[in-house]
Amino acid sequence: GQNIDQPTEMTATEGAIVQINCTYQTSGFNGLFWYQQHAGEAPTFLSYNVLDGLEEKGRFSSFLSRSKGYSYLLLKELQMKDSASYLCAALDSNYQLIWGAGTKLIIKP
Amino acid sequence: DAEITQSPRHKITETGRQVTLACHQTWNHNNMFWYRQDLGHGLRLIHYSYGVQDTNKGEVSDGYSVSRSNTEDLPLTLESAASSQTSVYFCASSLLAGGSDTQYFGPGTRLTVL
Repeated sequence: GQNIDQPTEMTATEGAIVQINCTYQTSGFNGLFWYQQHAGEAPTFLSYNVLDGLEEKGRFSSFLSRSKGYSYLLLKELQMKDSASYLCAALDSNYQLIWGAGTKLIIKP
Repeated sequence: DAEITQSPRHKITETGRQVTLACHQTWNHNNMFWYRQDLGHGLRLIHYSYGVQDTNKGEVSDGYSVSRSNTEDLPLTLESAASSQTSVYFCASSLLAGGSDTQYFGPGTRLTVL
């Protein structure tokens, strides 16, 4: 079956760095997305990786290893507004998105 | 500015009633999707459409139907609402064929079936 695993909840301190991991098992693979979702709001796009390596976008970076079925989202210089759920989603061979349950990130002052 | 809207934002209905949730996008996107989101689960795909008159079943399509008569709208109908369909429903759209494109989400509809 197809599966996405990510931690349910993580806690970090304002100003620190946090890494949210995601492992995936899908029928084929056409890329991996990260979305941010604040409580009560819609998911919004953060990043898309299809090739191995690290992609940096301001305070956020996303890494992909296709051979390991693994990705992570790295958030630097954490701000209180980064408190949200972070959703990992893999695109399978049929170009369907398989979503993880999300990681709730709690930022403490 | 282009946007994607959903209505109603909140809905309470009774078991057995037919319910239609509206989704309207002004991005002129070909692809539209309906998801449900429940605690402890990821977003689960209900139905999707890659263009006018095209509709496809997703992972959890039983009890739901959609129709696509124009580019802008993809209404989701619950034929006979059940308590198990209490959820938050998100509509999304994307431009490029094949699904490897950013999906833009509507604000969601919180549906309660009593």
